[in-house]
Amino acid sequence: EVQLVESGGGLVQPGESLRLSCAASGYIFSSYWMHWVRQAPGEGLVWVSRINKDGSTTTYADSVRGRFTISRDNAKNTLYLQMNSLRAEDTAVYYCARDVGGYYGLWGQGTLVTVSS
Amino acid sequence: DIVMTQSPLSLAVTPGEPASISCRSTKSLLHSNGHKFFDWYLQKPGQSPQLLIYWGSNRASGVPDRFSGSDSGTDFTLKISRVEAEDVGVYYCMQALETPYTFGQGTKLEIK
Repeated sequence: EVQLVESGGGLVQPGESLRLSCAASGYIFSSYWMHWVRQAPGEGLVWVSRINKDGSTTTYADSVRGRFTISRDNAKNTLYLQMNSLRAEDTAVYYCARDVGGYYGLWGQGTLVTVSS
Repeated sequence: DIVMTQSPLSLAVTPGEPASISCRSTKSLLHSNGHKFFDWYLQKPGQSPQLLIYWGSNRASGVPDRFSGSDSGTDFTLKISRVEAEDVGVYYCMQALETPYTFGQGTKLEIK
């Protein structure tokens, strides 16, 4: 089955770090660019970051640049998002998504990150 | 950044009746490959978003043919020919031409 499964979310205090994972299965992971998209509670979708097929090129939203790092391990079919210096406004469900070339053909189920003291 | 503006933000439709959602982009979304990098997604209650329409007018696999997408320049439209109960949720438009990819505010569709 073709799927993406996120993990690693949880409750952290402001200033702390968290690493999200997105495990891909059922397709050739290394053939696709991958993205992270987040959704704050009751809010809309916001793009966070993307990475190219071999991990050599990354792009970030202004709101997370310098704090978040996207990476991938093609041998493990896994996408990561290292989140440092977390803020209350980073509270959201984080989705990983597969970029087919102008659209997200596959989304994960999401993992909730809550930043609160 | 490219701004995507959706309308309406909510609508209530009687089953069997048509529905239409609009999205306007602040920039042409025509990619060098000839496709418009514009998509429609539906997020059903409690679920992840799912692709409905890609490249402006192409239905994703498994999407019923009552859904259709069209465009005129930077104005895009999603039409549902006959709304069914399973169509409830929030519809988002998205541009994937350049980063940051940007979404519309979302349109919440409810059944009357």
